[in-house]
Amino acid sequence: GENVEQHPSTLSVQEGDSAVIKCTYSDSASNYFPWYKQELGKRPQLIIDIRSNVGEKKDQRIAVTLNKTAKHFSLHITETQPEDSAVYFCAASYNQGGKLIFGQGTELSVKP
Amino acid sequence: DGGITQSPKYLFRKEGQNVTLSCEQNLNHDAMYWYRQDPGQGLRLIYYSQIVNDFQKGDIAEGYSVSREKKESFPLTVTSAQKNPTAFYLCASSFSGRGEKLFFGSGTQLSVL
Repeated sequence: GENVEQHPSTLSVQEGDSAVIKCTYSDSASNYFPWYKQELGKRPQLIIDIRSNVGEKKDQRIAVTLNKTAKHFSLHITETQPEDSAVYFCAASYNQGGKLIFGQGTELSVKP
Repeated sequence: DGGITQSPKYLFRKEGQNVTLSCEQNLNHDAMYWYRQDPGQGLRLIYYSQIVNDFQKGDIAEGYSVSREKKESFPLTVTSAQKNPTAFYLCASSFSGRGEKLFFGSGTQLSVL
């Protein structure tokens, strides 16, 4: 069925280190993969997204990679800062994009 | 609230009662969504609507109902059939019906008395 698995559920890193969060999806027809960041007590906000015709996308310290064959995609954050601490959600589109299914979330903690 | 407003911020439901959560957007977005957020379970899709007067069930639609009579509005009713309604409910909208670049409201926390 339609599913997105996200790992790890929690991640703790030292400031300046890199962080990687991984997701897998179940439907090879999925073609859109966004990442959202939710700070404590706030709404989720889109931080980066990628389409299935692209293998990698970067935006400053954030990058996303996609492996269509393996049906997994990853979020990479370099030079982490305390303000990167939040819950991160991956998602994949189903039903020709009308349905966006989210992973379970990763709570990232960046220690100064 | 940046163009998408959810109300109320907090809501309490008595047993056997139906309650309605409001979601209004002035972004001229075609698509609107309702998600339920429980600790450790991410965001689960309840209902979504890609266009006015049309909506589809998500993964956990049982015990919920929606309407989409106007482009700007997508209210969610939590019925008495929903036995575990305590959760944080998030409404979102997007310009297209393809699930791209969702813009979320600030959420409603529903609790059972």
